[in-house]
Amino acid sequence: QQPVQSPQAVILREGEDAVINCSSSKALYSVHWYRQKHGEAPVFLMILLKGGEQKGHEKISASFNEKKQQSSLYLTASQLSYSGTYFCGTGGPQAGTALIFGKGTTLSVSS
Amino acid sequence: NAGVTQTPKFQVLKTGQSMTLQCAQDMNHEYMSWYRQDPGMGLRLIHYSVGAGITDQGEVPNGYNVSRSTTEDFPLRLLSAAPSQTSVYFCASSYSPGVGGYTFGSGTRLTVV
Repeated sequence: QQPVQSPQAVILREGEDAVINCSSSKALYSVHWYRQKHGEAPVFLMILLKGGEQKGHEKISASFNEKKQQSSLYLTASQLSYSGTYFCGTGGPQAGTALIFGKGTTLSVSS
Repeated sequence: NAGVTQTPKFQVLKTGQSMTLQCAQDMNHEYMSWYRQDPGMGLRLIHYSVGAGITDQGEVPNGYNVSRSTTEDFPLRLLSAAPSQTSVYFCASSYSPGVGGYTFGSGTRLTVV
């Protein structure tokens, strides 16, 4: 079952912050976050594991809430280069289970 | 280091034709997956593999076959193309999805007429 991402779209000006949520109806074991620019392939941002803490990548960080079965991606002081579609992908309990992705959140940053 | 290579980049098929989308990686990754991407639907898992000789179905496997005879290659076969299979197809590989991320190929844009 696909995880649910919210919001579907976000419009920001440079320097503003955004939060993208990823919720699952099943227990979360791992959550991957990817960014895809128009016409390109998705690019890996970070992974969060069950029992893990918040992680960061430049001004982009993420959290993992096991009880809520939810992960959130935080983008602070957004830059034009942050524009794109963000996907969360959830993994199963076994290490080899492939990722199931949400439908994505489109982020548009303008100057 | 080429990463994940998908061929062809573009393809037009007639309904009922068959074809194979090629995917090769040179990173010695055990884990490989095929996804299709349609507007508003995100990335949907078609088939995946955890190593040579081992494959499994994903969310939308109907109409597609895969095999994994080597670690490097993971081809996707369309048995009898239908207009509903018009999509962008991505192949992805990972050393260990429980530790690190997937590397995606550049995609194949397929149109079935």
